[in-house]
Amino acid sequence: AQKVTQAQTEISVVEKEDVTLDCVYETRDTTYYLFWYKQPPSGELVFLIRRNSFDEQNEISGRYSWNFQKSTSSFNFTITASQVVDSAVYFCALSRNTGGFKTIFGAGTRLFVKA
Amino acid sequence: SQTIHQWPATLVQPVGSPLSLECTVEGTSNPNLYWYRQAAGRGLQLLFYSVGIGQISSEVPQNLSASRPQDRQFILSSKKLLLSDSGFYLCALKGVRNTEAFFGQGTRLTVV
Repeated sequence: AQKVTQAQTEISVVEKEDVTLDCVYETRDTTYYLFWYKQPPSGELVFLIRRNSFDEQNEISGRYSWNFQKSTSSFNFTITASQVVDSAVYFCALSRNTGGFKTIFGAGTRLFVKA
Repeated sequence: SQTIHQWPATLVQPVGSPLSLECTVEGTSNPNLYWYRQAAGRGLQLLFYSVGIGQISSEVPQNLSASRPQDRQFILSSKKLLLSDSGFYLCALKGVRNTEAFFGQGTRLTVV
């Protein structure tokens, strides 16, 4: 069975602080994909990043960075110098490479960035 | 580019009434389509997915059903709504490869 766990329900930080959102996944597949999405108050889901199981290289995009470690089944997301506009719910997700490419989401982490 | 149209944006329905939510996509052919539900303050739960016309897979037993009458149309239905059907319903698509899912704007359903 596949599972995504985001243990942090809510995180509150002050603007300019760094914050890391944790994601742990479970799968028996050797080929799979991991994703992070942002859900602002408007409700739409915004795609942030996709990683396949064979690519453990960390990625940085502006203030965002992702750390993928297969040894610990983790795919953590760090926001550097957080801003108020980063306030949202962030979802980690896992997709199989078979069976309709279903994407299973974690419960989400609500991030509050205070000015 | 791919686009997803979902309507209506908000809906208030009485208990026991029927439901029909429509999702149409543009800019792609033979997409995989998905219906998700997000209860208030909760994560996204996959309800149904479809890999082609007439092909529906249900992920959880529930009061809802789905249909795909056309390649780019995905419909979520219920004959009699329950209070527990309230939530935010999102339609999503994926192309032929296992890329990221593109989501519609969602429908916020309140059953009263």
